[in-house]
Amino acid sequence: DGGITQSPKYLFRKEGQNVTLSCEQNLNHDAMYWYRQDPGQGLRLIYYSQIVNDFQKGDIAEGYSVSREKKESFPLTVTSAQKNPTAFYLCASSPDRDYGYTFGSGTRLTVV
Amino acid sequence: KNEVEQSPQNLTAQEGEFITINCSYSVGISALHWLQQHPGGGIVSLFMLSSGKKKHGRLIATINIQEKHSSLHITASHPRDSAVYICAVRTGGGADGLTFGKGTHLIIQP
Repeated sequence: DGGITQSPKYLFRKEGQNVTLSCEQNLNHDAMYWYRQDPGQGLRLIYYSQIVNDFQKGDIAEGYSVSREKKESFPLTVTSAQKNPTAFYLCASSPDRDYGYTFGSGTRLTVV
Repeated sequence: KNEVEQSPQNLTAQEGEFITINCSYSVGISALHWLQQHPGGGIVSLFMLSSGKKKHGRLIATINIQEKHSSLHITASHPRDSAVYICAVRTGGGADGLTFGKGTHLIIQP
């Protein structure tokens, strides 16, 4: 079955370390998105990519980086510059702006 | 101020009750989404609306573009409906991605 796979489900990181969250889709979707969710807050857009080798900053891109070398993959790196990285991260994809979205199951990142 | 407001924030009801969750937004939109987030965190897309009404099983979603308001209804609610329901809008123009409400935490008691 087609879908989005995020890994790992839980991730612990020491302060000062970079960490990369994986997002893979086999839906042949062009657009992919990364969102961050904090307790009591709505999801916020970090980065998005509408096509391979192209990506755009979202509302809270500072301290994060992404790449889109393959259509299927959109990894997110949380760098040491991100001041408050502990959060729940969700990846999503969409075939087109006018269609619905498919979400992954998320990665919960905790900085220790 | 969040551009998408949901009410109520929390709702506890008895099995079988008719449930209504509301969403109001302040900007022009091209589409509105209703999403369901399970306790593990995964999100399922329930509806995408740009006008009128959609129905899927016991779920009904309506939208009034003029009033900038949408409702999600659950008929004959069941404990398995317990989840966080999230309203999200896609604005027009060059923006991409969605703007999300904070969610409504629904608990259906047997």
